[in-house]
Amino acid sequence: AQSVTQLDSQVPVFEEAPVELRCNYSSSVSVYLFWYVQYPNQGLQLLLKYLSGSTLVKGINGFEAEFNKSQTSFHLRKPSVHISDTAEYFCAVRLSGYSTLTFGKGTMLLVSP
Amino acid sequence: DSGVTQTPKHLITATGQRVTLRCSPRSGDLSVYWYQQSLDQGLQFLIHYYNGEERAKGNILERFSAQQFPDLHSELNLSSLELGDSALYFCASSVVDRGPHNEQFFGPGTRLTVL
Repeated sequence: AQSVTQLDSQVPVFEEAPVELRCNYSSSVSVYLFWYVQYPNQGLQLLLKYLSGSTLVKGINGFEAEFNKSQTSFHLRKPSVHISDTAEYFCAVRLSGYSTLTFGKGTMLLVSP
Repeated sequence: DSGVTQTPKHLITATGQRVTLRCSPRSGDLSVYWYQQSLDQGLQFLIHYYNGEERAKGNILERFSAQQFPDLHSELNLSSLELGDSALYFCASSVVDRGPHNEQFFGPGTRLTVL
């Protein structure tokens, strides 16, 4: 069975600083990888996804992620964060040929001035 | 706004009761998924319907059931409620049921509080 590990439950950072949110997965078959963001009292919004091809994936709001097959990682990065990026971020995996998402526990990104 | 609607937004009920959560998928989407988000378990997949048929089951309790109707809206029924069922319940929809382009769009959720 597949699983997703988000190594940090909380990441505090100052505004305009760079940030990396870590995600590792385990699976014996091909996977698709996703990052979702959840703002307070809202549903999940897709930030970016890796399906195939280039391992560097760009998403909305200036975020990007790099798929590393040998490390089984899909870390999310942003070079300069804003206060408005404060939210919970979820990494998710979906097995090739299947429909359901398996989520990590989430990382709360706290951006302060 | 994802285009997925869920009602009600909040639900407060007592232990032992039964509730129904409703989800309307985006226009044109045939798949509906239900997820439960709780503090201790995180986000967990419950069940998936595609065009009225059950396609996959996750960690869904026997006290819970769901269905997708001919107009494609879905209902999640939770019965004999326990305190531990308090959670945020999300519905998501997608056009197809599998494949690389099966992007899921999430609704705003229903927050269930069991007292």
